[in-house]
Amino acid sequence: DTEVTQTPKHLVMGMTNKKSLKCEQHMGHRAMYWYKQKAKKPPELMFVYSYEKLSINESVPSRFSPECPNSSLLNLHLHALQPEDSALYLCASSLYLSYEQYFGPGTRLTVT
Amino acid sequence: GQQLNQSPQSMFIQEGEDVSMNCTSSSIFNTWLWYKQDPGEGPVLLIALYKAGELTSNGRLTAQFGITRKDSFLNISASIPSDVGIYFCAGQLTEYGNKLVFGAGTILRVKS
Repeated sequence: DTEVTQTPKHLVMGMTNKKSLKCEQHMGHRAMYWYKQKAKKPPELMFVYSYEKLSINESVPSRFSPECPNSSLLNLHLHALQPEDSALYLCASSLYLSYEQYFGPGTRLTVT
Repeated sequence: GQQLNQSPQSMFIQEGEDVSMNCTSSSIFNTWLWYKQDPGEGPVLLIALYKAGELTSNGRLTAQFGITRKDSFLNISASIPSDVGIYFCAGQLTEYGNKLVFGAGTILRVKS
């Protein structure tokens, strides 16, 4: 089983809202990732967690706040987003940092 | 920074045709990955390559890890309509923090 699940599938939020994206995997993977993807472009790395600790933050604005409550879950908390933050947000996981990554189906976020 | 040149940018396929795409880089990688992404979905891992010179097949897909570690190709034999989508190559190297470096993608469309 190589499934990464993400909820919600779609999200529309205003610029003053606070919302969260959720990601879950039950493959025993110890590394989890958040990516942002614009249409017809490759995914852009945002954050990396390894063994539930933040390993990489790709200079992401503080209006995006990641959280890894346990080895199976990864959240992305959103606050005061801008319209240009509208994108497909992808979660991925890998057994360890140097192993191949498996992506979830994504959350389509629209900021109005 | 590391960059991958993926070509072609787009191509039209007719059912039954063989398709080929490749990625090149001026940097070396120790892992090459090929993903396919359908509209509104997350990238799906097709093939992972770990050794220079390695040739791996997955059904109608064949990919090779270049001997110089700076390139990889993906071939699709006897294409079918569901092969349409965007194909991304990605390279990974421990010295780069194991972050995936993506190509810009190859868009496969069906000839009408």
